Amino acid sequence: EVQLVESGGVLVQPGRSMKLSCAASGFTFSSFPMAWVRQAPTKGLEWVATISTSGGSTYYRDSVKGRFTISRDNAKSTLYLQMDSLRSEDTATYYCTTGGFDYWGQGVMVTVSS
Amino acid sequence: DIVMTQGVLPNPVPSGESASITCRSSKSLVYKDGKTYLNWFLQRPGQSPQLLTYWMSTRASGVSDRFSGSGSGTYFTLKISRVRAEDAGVYYCQQVREYPRTFGAGTKLELK
Repeated sequence: EVQLVESGGVLVQPGRSMKLSCAASGFTFSSFPMAWVRQAPTKGLEWVATISTSGGSTYYRDSVKGRFTISRDNAKSTLYLQMDSLRSEDTATYYCTTGGFDYWGQGVMVTVSS
Repeated sequence: DIVMTQGVLPNPVPSGESASITCRSSKSLVYKDGKTYLNWFLQRPGQSPQLLTYWMSTRASGVSDRFSGSGSGTYFTLKISRVRAEDAGVYYCQQVREYPRTFGAGTKLELK
């Protein structure tokens, strides 16, 4: 059974950093691109970033480019999202998903507030 | 960026009836391989999104055949036949033709 389990969400002040993790199991992690999608409270879905199987290619939405870094450790079957210079508009539930968006984690809440 | 625009459903929908959700893209989602790179998702209240269809009309694994996707390069429809209580939630279309990936704003389906 495919499982994606996010962790690392918490309350953080604007301008600070946070790193999310997503532990994957039940499939060959290294064979699949992976992505992060977020959802602000009561809002719709918003794609954040995608990473290729090797990690050699990454893609970001403009609003997080230069602040967020997506990475992966294929030996640990884990996906990461390093978030720097956080803003209040980054407040959302962050979902880890396979690159084809066919499997999703349960999501982790990130709140950016002073 | 490709803008995805979703229609509104005349809620609530009577159980057992059909419902069609529309989605329009600002650019053709047909790639040079001939496939149309359009996904549909359902997000039930309090749950993570679930992929329903990809390549516009291919159902994801385990998805009921009551869900069917169709369309052209820029106009798409998700039809739900014989609507049931478990179909309630917000439906999203998403283009994966190019980056940035973009979603529609969502269409809420409520049942009577």
